[in-house]
Amino acid sequence: AQTVTQSQPEMSVQEAETVTLSCTYDTSESDYYLFWYKQPPSRQMILVIRQEAYKQQNATENRFSVNFQKAAKSFSLKISDSQLGDAAMYFCAYRSPPGGTASKLTFGTGTRLQVTL
Amino acid sequence: DAGVIQSPRHEVTEMGQEVTLRCKPISGHNSLFWYRQTMMRGLELLIYFNNNVPIDDSGMPEDRFSAKMPNASFSTLKIQPSEPRDSAVYFCASSPYRVLSPYGYTFGSGTRLTVV
Repeated sequence: AQTVTQSQPEMSVQEAETVTLSCTYDTSESDYYLFWYKQPPSRQMILVIRQEAYKQQNATENRFSVNFQKAAKSFSLKISDSQLGDAAMYFCAYRSPPGGTASKLTFGTGTRLQVTL
Repeated sequence: DAGVIQSPRHEVTEMGQEVTLRCKPISGHNSLFWYRQTMMRGLELLIYFNNNVPIDDSGMPEDRFSAKMPNASFSTLKIQPSEPRDSAVYFCASSPYRVLSPYGYTFGSGTRLTVV
């Protein structure tokens, strides 16, 4: 079974600064997908960014980018120019490719990000 | 697109009562997932459906929990009888089911269940 580990329960960053959230995972599969979700106090789960394992290029979405290291099974999220609205719980998630029944998302335990003035 | 719609948003019930949570997935999404979120256990997958058929219910805690998907636009999660330890936020999510497509889920707003 796949597992996802987020070793930083809490992180803090000053507004306009850059912060990196860590995520590692364990799998025996060669093809899979990785995601970062954001959960603000409203509790809505919001997809931030996704990465296909077969792509070497790191995904980028505006101020959000990932550092995907497949051999190390590492998938970190970098938030640049942090804003107060970035304060939330961030979850790393793993998904096998659709096929048979292996379609579920496995989540890490989350990292709570605080953004200070 | 109205997104994934869950109801109710909040539910407070007494121990022993039956609770039904409802979910309407995004039109065209043929995979539906029920998750439970607690402080202690994080996000746990309870059950998921592909094309209205339950695929994996190994996360359902016990026989008190049941889920149905009678058609492509509606699913329910029922707890009977409810217990205080069932208190949690229950999320429904949907996703297209396509091979070689890196879809994440679209989540509903969740139902906060409190059993007293």
